[in-house]
Amino acid sequence: DVKVTQSSRYLVKRTGEKVFLECVQDMDHENMFWYRQDPGLGLRLIYFSYDVKMKEKGDIPEGYSVSREKKERFSLILESASTNQTSMYLCASSFGRENTEAFFGQGTRLTVV
Amino acid sequence: QKEVEQNSGPLSVPEGAIASLNCTYSDRGSQSFFWYRQYSGKSPELIMSIYSNGDKEDGRFTAQLNKASQYVSLLIRDSQPSDSATYLCAVLDNYGQNFVFGPGTRLSVLP
Repeated sequence: DVKVTQSSRYLVKRTGEKVFLECVQDMDHENMFWYRQDPGLGLRLIYFSYDVKMKEKGDIPEGYSVSREKKERFSLILESASTNQTSMYLCASSFGRENTEAFFGQGTRLTVV
Repeated sequence: QKEVEQNSGPLSVPEGAIASLNCTYSDRGSQSFFWYRQYSGKSPELIMSIYSNGDKEDGRFTAQLNKASQYVSLLIRDSQPSDSATYLCAVLDNYGQNFVFGPGTRLSVLP
């Protein structure tokens, strides 16, 4: 079974803190993604990566950065957390080829107070 | 901007009925289509994929694809209360790299 594992299920952080969300996949997938999901707004792509050390901005990259130093690991960084970044964060991975699906991690519910 | 549209619902059906979920997409070059189920507070899980025009059946689920109309649907037969969830339609771009998700349709199956 494909496993995409996010480091935390729930996180509470203070405004202004630097926050790291980690994601690891065990299927040698090329592509990895970070989404946030908010009620009524659906899944929104923050960043994705199609190779080690490569990254592409998604639809809402402001306030976030990412790191992919190893193929299996993709980190999302909130440089200075703000209350409007309170959300469910979902990591996903895929082979990056036609006819291949995305597999999701369990999600991290982040609350910024 | 590539778009995927779904009726947000909620769609309510009685137990045992057929639930019909619909999705349209804007990128005519897309080749791969997926349906995910998401329970409240959980992450999306894949339930169906479809790549060719026509129907694909898996148990109580049938996915239908019409590329000419840019339309994908999911039928759930003999709906159960455990099917109550949000269903996300996803389309893989024609480079095979990025997924575009619809906003999801919330399904409620009433006992």
